[in-house]
Amino acid sequence: EVQLVESGGGLVQPGRSLKLSCVASGFTFSNYGMNWIRQAPGKGLEWVAYISSGSSYIYYAETVKGRFTISRDNAKNTLYLQMTSLRSEDTALYYCARSPGSSDYWGQGVMVTVSS
Amino acid sequence: DIVMTQTPSSQAVSAGEKVTMSCKSSQSLLYSENKKNYLAWYQQKPGQSPKLLISWASTRESGVPDRFIGSGSGTDFTLTISSVQAEDLAVYYCEQYYDTPLTFGSGTKLEIK
Repeated sequence: EVQLVESGGGLVQPGRSLKLSCVASGFTFSNYGMNWIRQAPGKGLEWVAYISSGSSYIYYAETVKGRFTISRDNAKNTLYLQMTSLRSEDTALYYCARSPGSSDYWGQGVMVTVSS
Repeated sequence: DIVMTQTPSSQAVSAGEKVTMSCKSSQSLLYSENKKNYLAWYQQKPGQSPKLLISWASTRESGVPDRFIGSGSGTDFTLTISSVQAEDLAVYYCEQYYDTPLTFGSGTKLEIK
């Protein structure tokens, strides 16, 4: 069974940093690209970043480019999102999702709240 | 960026009725080399993560009931639920994965009368 479990969220002040993790199981993690997708409270879905299976290709939404870094450790079956210079508009539920093209499996999400 | 426009934003139907919802993209999602449309539909039930229903515009994922039907090509796409069930209460999103940034429509909220 494919499982994606996010962690690392919480309440953080504007301008500070936070690192999210997503541990994958039930499939060969190193064979798949991965997405981070977020959802602000009561809002729709917003794609944040993508990383290919071997980390050769990385893409970001303009809203996070230069502030967020996506990475992965295939030996640990883990996806990361390093978030710096956080803003109130980054407040959202952050999902990791397996991405063979579309996002076919999603985690349960981890909440990030940016507030003073 | 490719803009995805979903209509209606919400609709209420009775169980057993047929419902259709639309998704239009600002540019074609049809890749000429493989003739595939890079369009997905997701269902998000209250309090849950999104679930992939349909990829490549019309390919149902394993385990998705056959009442969910995806159609369309190019820039115009439709999700049809042939006979709505109470458990279909959800927000439905379309997404293009033709190009980055990946973009989603704003969603169609389906309510059951």
